[in-house]
Amino acid sequence: DTGVSQDPRHKITKRGQNVTFRCDPISEHNRLYWYRQTLGQGPEFLTYFQNEAQLEKSRLLSDRFSAERPKGSFSTLEIQRTEQGDSAMYLCASTLPGSLKETQYFGPGTRLLVL
Amino acid sequence: AQSVTQLDSQVPVFEEAPVELRCNYSSSVSVYLFWYVQYPNQGLQLLLKYLSGSTLVKGINGFEAEFNKSQTSFHLRKPSVHISDTAEYFCAVSEGSNYQLIWGAGTKLIIKP
Repeated sequence: DTGVSQDPRHKITKRGQNVTFRCDPISEHNRLYWYRQTLGQGPEFLTYFQNEAQLEKSRLLSDRFSAERPKGSFSTLEIQRTEQGDSAMYLCASTLPGSLKETQYFGPGTRLLVL
Repeated sequence: AQSVTQLDSQVPVFEEAPVELRCNYSSSVSVYLFWYVQYPNQGLQLLLKYLSGSTLVKGINGFEAEFNKSQTSFHLRKPSVHISDTAEYFCAVSEGSNYQLIWGAGTKLIIKP
């Protein structure tokens, strides 16, 4: 069990550029969640997958945000035409199969800075 | 709608003193409650969770929390803190039929030597 990993850990980009973040969940975890965390706030739910199916995406912040999990393993979160307000920590978490009460295991996050 | 309120953004406390971090939630249905800790430059780690049963829940690193349904609270306590407890602590809630966690804004625990 190597834990949830995220890549890159830090990303600096210019306004208007596209960025893509990757999350590798713990193997055999079939649920994967994306959150955004801004300074001084708790994480904010964005979207989640069960295997390759994206079961909730209404909380994605705008149509510039999209996520995929094509083979039910790793996931990517893309932000198109970045804005300064997108600067935040983007967190990924995964859970074991089973009930909704399962513990979410978090990765270290990707910190995005949009200049 | 569900919400979670952590009443203190920062709690300074002397080493070896007791501490309580407060968490209140609003929900009209059964909930599951969690406390996570985030050490500097690290990811979120589960401290403890309440799912059902005994209202006093024990977690890692000597922390415990008590679920109080009438007061809709889930306060976190530790009888004697150590410098290594310096971190940010987040309370979160998930409803029985929901899949996502709703989070409080976090409380920074500052340990004074």
